[in-house]
Parts: sequence; structure tokens; C-alpha cells
Amino acid sequence: KQEVTQIPAALSVPEGKNLVLNCSFTDSAIYNLQWFRQDPGKGLTSLLLIQSSQREQTSGRLNASLDKSSGRSTLYIAASQPGVSATYLCAAGNSGGSNYKLTFGKGTLLTVNP
Amino acid sequence: ETGVTQTPRHLVMGMTNKKSLKCEQHLGHNAMYWYKQSAKKPLELMFVYNFKEQTENNSVPSRFSPECPNSSHLFLHLHTLQPEDSALYLCASSQGSRLAGKPYEQYFGPGTRLTVT
Repeated sequence: KQEVTQIPAALSVPEGKNLVLNCSFTDSAIYNLQWFRQDPGKGLTSLLLIQSSQREQTSGRLNASLDKSSGRSTLYIAASQPGVSATYLCAAGNSGGSNYKLTFGKGTLLTVNP
Repeated sequence: ETGVTQTPRHLVMGMTNKKSLKCEQHLGHNAMYWYKQSAKKPLELMFVYNFKEQTENNSVPSRFSPECPNSSHLFLHLHTLQPEDSALYLCASSQGSRLAGKPYEQYFGPGTRLTVT
């Protein structure tokens, strides 16, 4: 059974700082890995999706890396601004037969202080 | 906007009530999902539908009854719920193909905040 862990659970940083959010998963036989952003009381917004054959993906100030063999992914946010304050969720995608399932971590609550 | 809408956005119901949550996707996707998000717990997958067929029931109590009349619409019928069922219920869709076995990126709706009194 896939389990996903995100560390830290919460992070508070000053504006302009580069930061790294960590995600680990127990079953390395993933199909892909997805990073999401969730604002309070809202749904999820997909940020990046990395296929299992890829090492990293970039979108704007975001860069996500994937190391399947060690069961880890990191989300790098460059020059953080208050607008990126949100909860960041990591989800490992596994494909079993005809089913595709995402297993989520509990998320990292990020606060960027002006 | 992600192309996935959910109604209602907020719902308060008593334990003896019957209500339904609705999800609609405008993305031409073939797979739809229901998730439950409770405080301090990871998102939990509840049901998966591929091409209108239920392909996953993650040991969900029978007081939750899903319905998928077509690939664009997904319902979650609720009856005799318990206070611990209070949570944010999220719907998602993806271009997953059951036959080809090629799952794709999931797009989420804004969720329905459910409170059971």
C-alpha cells in the first residue's frame, strides 16, 4: 500500500527566500507524481506532474524533482512571495491494471511573510 | 477555473436527511473521482469511475452512494450520515483511459463543504 509523507508539516519563511518542500513515498513503482496547491477552503490546483521516466519538471518559479529509486520528490520554490502562501500537496500516482490512483500526503502549510 | 464544477459549495444536513452532491466536468475526460478531505488527514480516495463504470470503491460506507450517468457528471448521494462524515468532498476528473491504461493529470473541483449536525 502506497504511503506518502510530507515534511515539514508547516513552514514559515520571509519573502524572497528560496525554499524546498519534501515528499517521500514508500512504493517506488509509481506511474507519476503530482504536486498541488490548495488555498484555505478551496479545491486543488495542479502545479506540476512528473512522469516516472522524468527527473524534473519546471513551471515558472517552481521546479519539481523526482528520484524514484529513493522514493523522494522535492518542490523548489524560487524567490518566494506572499502570494505563494498555501498548502502544498504531493500525490503519488500508481496504476494497477485498469485503475489509476493518487495517494496524497498531508501537505505542507507554507506561509511567506512580507 | 479548472473546468470541474461542484454544487452545492456548502451543505448542512441532519443525520436523517438525504442530499446529493453534484460534479460536472467540461474537459472531455473519461475518468471521474470522489475524494474526502477531513481535518488533519490526507485526501482519501472514495470512488473512481472510468467510462461511467465504477472501478474503485475504497471501502466506503453504504450511506455514500455514487452515481455516474455519463462521463461528464458524477453524483454522490448521501443518507443517514454521521457527524464524523463532515468534511470537504472533492471531485476530480482525468483523461484516464481504462482500455489503454494511461492515466493523466487530475483536475479538481472547488469542493463541497459538508457539515452533518
